[in-house]
Amino acid sequence: EVQLVQSGAEVKKPGESLTISCKGSGYSFTSYWISWVRQMPGKGLEWMGRIDPSDSYINYSPSFQGHVSISVDTSISTAYLQWSSLEASDTAMYYCARMIVTMTEDSYYYYHMNVWGKGTPVTVSS
Amino acid sequence: DFRMTQSPSTLSASVGDRVTITCRASQSISRWLAWYQQKPGKAPKLLIYEASTLESGVPSRFSGSGSGTDFTLSISSLQPDDIATYYCQQYASYSPYTFGQGTKLEIK
Repeated sequence: EVQLVQSGAEVKKPGESLTISCKGSGYSFTSYWISWVRQMPGKGLEWMGRIDPSDSYINYSPSFQGHVSISVDTSISTAYLQWSSLEASDTAMYYCARMIVTMTEDSYYYYHMNVWGKGTPVTVSS
Repeated sequence: DFRMTQSPSTLSASVGDRVTITCRASQSISRWLAWYQQKPGKAPKLLIYEASTLESGVPSRFSGSGSGTDFTLSISSLQPDDIATYYCQQYASYSPYTFGQGTKLEIK
């Protein structure tokens, strides 16, 4: 069974650093991009960025570029989302999702998210 | 950015009703649209991709249609288990991928 298992809930203070994780199983981890998605309390879904585990190529949403870092460790099939200095506004649920590709006849690639982790709640409060 | 606008924001319907949710893109996204269902306290679940392709295991009462800028998600006969918030998402461009604001579906 394809699964993404996310790390547990975190409670942090503003200014602290944090890394949360997403471990893939049941499939070839390096064959599928991983995305991170934020959901603030009572709000909708926001795409943060994606990483290709095969070469660590990353695309960030402009809204999150410079505030978070995405990485992978292929030896343990795990993707990470990292903050160096948290803010109260980072309080949210964070989801990782596996992306599946469709290649068109003219060799364009389109990726959608087909398997999601259960989420990691992050609370940042002084 | 590709802006995605869903309507309505909230929808109240009875069991057995046909339900339709609309998603409009600010510019053409061809068929590169996905629909997700999110139940309270749960992760989103993929229902439909490429605007109209049903994800494996999703009940056939769900269907999607549209292309270009206008899309719909339909539920042919609403069931109590369908109570959730539904999101559309474009993946024509990753700069960035964008979601609609969500449609909360309630039982009347």
